[in-house]
Parts: sequence; C-alpha cells; structure tokens
Amino acid sequence: EPEVTQTPSHQVTQMGQEVILRCVPISNHLYFYWYRQILGQKVEFLVSFYNNEISEKSEIFDDQFSVERPDGSNFTLKIRSTKLEDSAMYFCASSAFALGNQPQHFGDGTRLSIL
Amino acid sequence: AQTVTQSQPEMSVQEAETVTLSCTYDTSESNYYLFWYKQPPSRQMILVIRQEAYKQQNATENRFSVNFQKAAKSFSLKISDSQLGDTAMYFCAFMKPPGGRGSQGNLIFGKGTKLSVKP
Repeated sequence: EPEVTQTPSHQVTQMGQEVILRCVPISNHLYFYWYRQILGQKVEFLVSFYNNEISEKSEIFDDQFSVERPDGSNFTLKIRSTKLEDSAMYFCASSAFALGNQPQHFGDGTRLSIL
Repeated sequence: AQTVTQSQPEMSVQEAETVTLSCTYDTSESNYYLFWYKQPPSRQMILVIRQEAYKQQNATENRFSVNFQKAAKSFSLKISDSQLGDTAMYFCAFMKPPGGRGSQGNLIFGKGTKLSVKP
C-alpha cells in the first residue's frame, strides 16, 4: 500500500538555525498537510496546501514557517530560525480529496529537537 | 471553534477482552466527520475508523466499532477481542467539511488515550 514518507526521522538543530523537513506524499494525492505534536500534547494542525498554495494555516504557522512543493513529489516544511519551543514531532499527511470520506494518510513523522 | 476531548489518558485491557475509549467534541456544525486514529510505537498514525455525522448508523470495521451519539456529541471507540497489536495511542479527531474554494478539511485532534493490551 502506498505510504507517505518523511525524512529525516530525527533532526537535531541548534536554536536559530534553519531546518527543512521533507515529505513525499502518496503519488496521486492532491492535498497536503503538516501537523505537529509537542511531547505529551495533542497533535495540532499547522498548514494545508493545495494547487501550489496554502489553503489554510493555524496560528502556530507564523512567519518563521513556510511550505513548498519544489517538484512533483516532495512537500517541504521550512522553519527559518528555530526556537526551543519548535521541538516536536512533525507529521506530514496527504489525501486524494479534501473530504472526510477520503482520509488523510500520515507519515511516520520527523522528531525535531532544538538545542 | 471545534474542540475534541479524550478524558482517559491511559487505559489497559486484557487480551481478548473488550475496551471502550471515550471521546467528546464540541461544534456548532451540523455536518462533519469523526475519526479514530491509532499511533503504535512505530509512530505512524493509521486510520482505524471514520463516521460521517449525517449517517445514523454506527461505523464498524472488523473488531472496531463506534458509538456515535450526535446529540450528546459523543464518539466512543469499542475494540472487541483485544489483541497485543492493538497497544497504541488512540486519537479521536474531528473534521468539518471544507468550506469553499481553497478550504481543506483539517483534522482537530484530542489529546489521545494510551491503550495497553496485556497478555
């Protein structure tokens, strides 16, 4: 079964550095998402993306964050200047359609640790 | 704003027994979707079951079933004949339908219930 793949599985970065988290959504999916989960807390929506533009973003997704689909397969999340509070598990998800009967498929996540 | 509440941080069940995980939500929407996702220690979140709010019939997927009470805004998950592989974090999630051009259905998650199945 097709899967969403995320790299790296674990990223350790110094505070203030830029980090790029990578995702390869399922190939025929058109809708892409990033979520994050701070340790011990709930999974939170960050941003959704369709047709090469952001559809929606949460309050968490401030100017430090950006997303991009640089080619036909990758979907990236960039954090420009990382802060300690950015430490979390980041999940990428994709879906064929933006409807509840087309579920979002999640990747394994990238654990981001900011030192 | 929509919220999802899972009041049981941890639960345990004996293998082959039945367990029910609770979830309540708050919304003013009349049409929406509800989901249960499972996150085993391997970390990938897997969809377990989904329910469309306009359907009165409770969804069932093999050993997993839900008790959807729309008026009470309750969406519990029942796992029958629990197996060791059911050990995982279980997240309840809400999604309202996308609302027009550029709007996608984003998931709103509860805090999760950590389920341990004991041999």
